[in-house]
Amino acid sequence: KAGVTQTPRYLIKTRGQQVTLSCSPISGHRSVSWYQQTPGQGLQFLFEYFSETQRNKGNFPGRFSGRQFSNSRSEMNVSTLELGDSALYLCASSRESNQETQYFGPGTRLLVL
Amino acid sequence: QKEVEQNSGPLSVPEGAIASLNCTYSDRGSQSFFWYRQYSGKSPELIMSIYSNGDKEDGRFTAQLNKASQYVSLLIRDSQPSDSATYLCAVKGGSYIPTFGRGTSLIVHP
Repeated sequence: KAGVTQTPRYLIKTRGQQVTLSCSPISGHRSVSWYQQTPGQGLQFLFEYFSETQRNKGNFPGRFSGRQFSNSRSEMNVSTLELGDSALYLCASSRESNQETQYFGPGTRLLVL
Repeated sequence: QKEVEQNSGPLSVPEGAIASLNCTYSDRGSQSFFWYRQYSGKSPELIMSIYSNGDKEDGRFTAQLNKASQYVSLLIRDSQPSDSATYLCAVKGGSYIPTFGRGTSLIVHP
């Protein structure tokens, strides 16, 4: 069974731009969670989507948004990029919402210049 | 602010020894506790979960939970160089939003 895939794997943007990241969960998984990982803050929860609905949201500004499609694929968007948004963005999928076992994708490394 | 604290390390142990990784958390309402392993440049992978006080064993790994002391630990027996990685502790409460520690770097030297 294929794992979680994320595209693109690497991205370079400049301040003020926006970016869209994509995540395809494991087949049959309906929940997708997004995380930001930085050396300073560690791994932080952004939000979770299940059946096209946002179920949980972390403590991030409104510049961070997401959505989920009917095939469970999810996108995350960051608008008006700031230097501090440089990070590894990870998505994780699980079969159901709030399920304990999550499988992480390889991540998208975003660099904001 | 819910916090999960881990010693950043590195924790260095010889091959074959027991590695002991510790984690404390601030939210007394926490219900679920997880240990993830993250190799350099890779994504985290779940290695253990624990929900009730006591020990839970899975192969060479043992998770220990003490809710009264707000403490969870991971023991790795017969440590191997391939266990060298960063170990992340994660805690979930009733809100289902996980809080991660910043991780402990483990180095197992031959």
